[in-house]
Amino acid sequence: AQKITQTQPGMFVQEKEAVTLDCTYDTSDPSYGLFWYKQPSSGEMIFLIYQGSYDQQNATEGRYSLNFQKARKSANLVISASQLGDSAMYFCAMRSYNQGGKLIFGQGTELSVKP
Amino acid sequence: EPEVTQTPSHQVTQMGQEVILRCVPISNHLYFYWYRQILGQKVEFLVSFYNNEISEKSEIFDDQFSVERPDGSNFTLKIRSTKLEDSAMYFCASNPTKGGIGEKLFFGSGTQLSVL
Repeated sequence: AQKITQTQPGMFVQEKEAVTLDCTYDTSDPSYGLFWYKQPSSGEMIFLIYQGSYDQQNATEGRYSLNFQKARKSANLVISASQLGDSAMYFCAMRSYNQGGKLIFGQGTELSVKP
Repeated sequence: EPEVTQTPSHQVTQMGQEVILRCVPISNHLYFYWYRQILGQKVEFLVSFYNNEISEKSEIFDDQFSVERPDGSNFTLKIRSTKLEDSAMYFCASNPTKGGIGEKLFFGSGTQLSVL
């Protein structure tokens, strides 16, 4: 069975500093994708970044990068130069080819950026 | 960027009443999903829908739930007799194809359902 684990219920970071949000996953599928979504207090789900299981390089999207360690089954999100607007809930999610295409989510990490 | 649209944004209902949550997926998308998020908890898969039938459903999606694509544009989630524990944010999502693993799901803004 697939599983996503986020062990940090809440994190604090000072504005302009970098922060790492942890995510570990479990799957027996060799082909899978890992996603991070941001959920601000308004509630919508905003896609941030994607990493494929066969990708050789870590994904980057602007200030977001994904530290993908396949052997450890971890896909941590790194946010550089934190901004006040980064305060939100962050969800790690996984999708695998043999699991019907649905996305499964971790429990989320609430990030608070301090001025 | 094209959007998934959900209406209403908030729905309040009495326990035992039927509710219908509405979604308009992105027009060329073929796979549709409903997820729910109980306050403070993770986002949970409810059901996926393709070619006018359910592809997969979770154990949460019991006989009280049903989905329909009545007119080729709307995608609805019906809860026949709401319970207090159905109070949650319900998200609709769509995809152009079946779970290419690299394809992000496009989520709507959600409907906050409150059962009193």
